[in-house]
Amino acid sequence: QSALTQPPSVSGSPGQSVTISCTGTTTDVGIYNRVSWYQQPPGTAPKLMIYEVSNRPSGVPDRFSGSKSGNTASLTISGLQAEDEADYYCSSYTSSSTLVFGGGTKLTVL
Amino acid sequence: QVQLVESGGGLVKPGGSLRLSCTASEFTFSDYYMNWIRQAPGKGLEWVAYISSSSTYTNQADSVKGRFTISRDNAKNSLYLEMNSLRAEDTAVYYCARGLTGTTPDGFDIWGQGTMVTVSS
Repeated sequence: QSALTQPPSVSGSPGQSVTISCTGTTTDVGIYNRVSWYQQPPGTAPKLMIYEVSNRPSGVPDRFSGSKSGNTASLTISGLQAEDEADYYCSSYTSSSTLVFGGGTKLTVL
Repeated sequence: QVQLVESGGGLVKPGGSLRLSCTASEFTFSDYYMNWIRQAPGKGLEWVAYISSSSTYTNQADSVKGRFTISRDNAKNSLYLEMNSLRAEDTAVYYCARGLTGTTPDGFDIWGQGTMVTVSS
């Protein structure tokens, strides 16, 4: 199972919006609405930000939103804040009944 | 509060074995799928294995299949990862993580702090 494809890095200024893409195939992202997104600041465990493509767990700000089109899922962060600077990972369930992560995207807040 | 605490990491020689444990507290452990996820130094996350709430279903990544075994003891609120034939590329922080819904393994909503495994001679 190959990793999902994410851009290595994205950046934005405070208050702006950024979108991180996560491209899979017809055996994972394309056929399941079971894409999740995780935020990982340096030296800490990951935190669930979005599940099942677009659902936010309790406590996650509504500045974070998720969507999917075809084989590509996206995480959009609006109203960027300095505290959003972190690594972000997507994951998906697969047709082999396994799970797969993306390679990760480093978000820099300028 | 709801938490997971891993233990059992350490330094092991190539070809050696290690058993990781993860102890859950403040939630009904037996209701949830559980996972092991690892992160090599400076690298991304890699899903390793999951086990269903009653141990009926398990699955592992191809990279560990035949070498690693996931198990659980619901009476002890504990999750385990038996790792055999360890290789240098297994060096990583190993996290245990809970599946969000209870009926599927994904949506990792609770994570432990991780335990470091180093495979080196």
